[in-house]
Amino acid sequence: AQSVTQLDSHVSVSEGTPVLLRCNYSSSYSPSLFWYVQHPNKGLQLLLKYTSAATLVKGINGFEAEFKKSETSFHLTKPSAHMSDAAEYFCVVSYNAGGTSYGKLTFGQGTILTVHP
Amino acid sequence: EPEVTQTPSHQVTQMGQEVILRCVPISNHLYFYWYRQILGQKVEFLVSFYNNEISEKSEIFDDQFSVERPDGSNFTLKIRSTKLEDSAMYFCASSEGFSGGLLLAKNIQYFGAGTRLSVL
Repeated sequence: AQSVTQLDSHVSVSEGTPVLLRCNYSSSYSPSLFWYVQHPNKGLQLLLKYTSAATLVKGINGFEAEFKKSETSFHLTKPSAHMSDAAEYFCVVSYNAGGTSYGKLTFGQGTILTVHP
Repeated sequence: EPEVTQTPSHQVTQMGQEVILRCVPISNHLYFYWYRQILGQKVEFLVSFYNNEISEKSEIFDDQFSVERPDGSNFTLKIRSTKLEDSAMYFCASSEGFSGGLLLAKNIQYFGAGTRLSVL
């Protein structure tokens, strides 16, 4: 079965410092990997997606993630945090196991990012 | 930018009552999904729906649950007889396509803000 683990339930940083949100997934066929963000009272918004074309993926708002197959990781980073980055972040995986996956996404438990002035 | 709309934002019901959660997907999307998140737990897949049929469902999606696309714009989740453990945030999502191994832009799922269901 597919699974994804976010290693930190809460991360707290100061504005202007780097952000690292960690994610590991269970190894399987051709995973598709995503990061979604949820701001209070808003829907889940796609930050970035892994397409297999490049291991370093750039997303919106200055976020990046690097796919490392050897480590089964897909950590999310940002060089400099902004107050508006405070939200909950979800690492998400989708698999095509034999062509029978109809879009089912499997979520990590979420990481709440707090940004201090 | 087009968005997925869910109503109501908060639904309170008594145990044993039927509830219907409503979603308006993005207009040109063909695939629809429901997920839920019980407080303190992960977001869990419930069901996917395409061409007026369920494509895939999880073990959570038992006979108490049903989905319907009653008209050209709405997508609903019905819980026939609510239990206390049905209390959760329910998210609707839609996509043009589905993640069948090819990660194309049309396969991205767009989510609504959720409906918080409280069963008393």
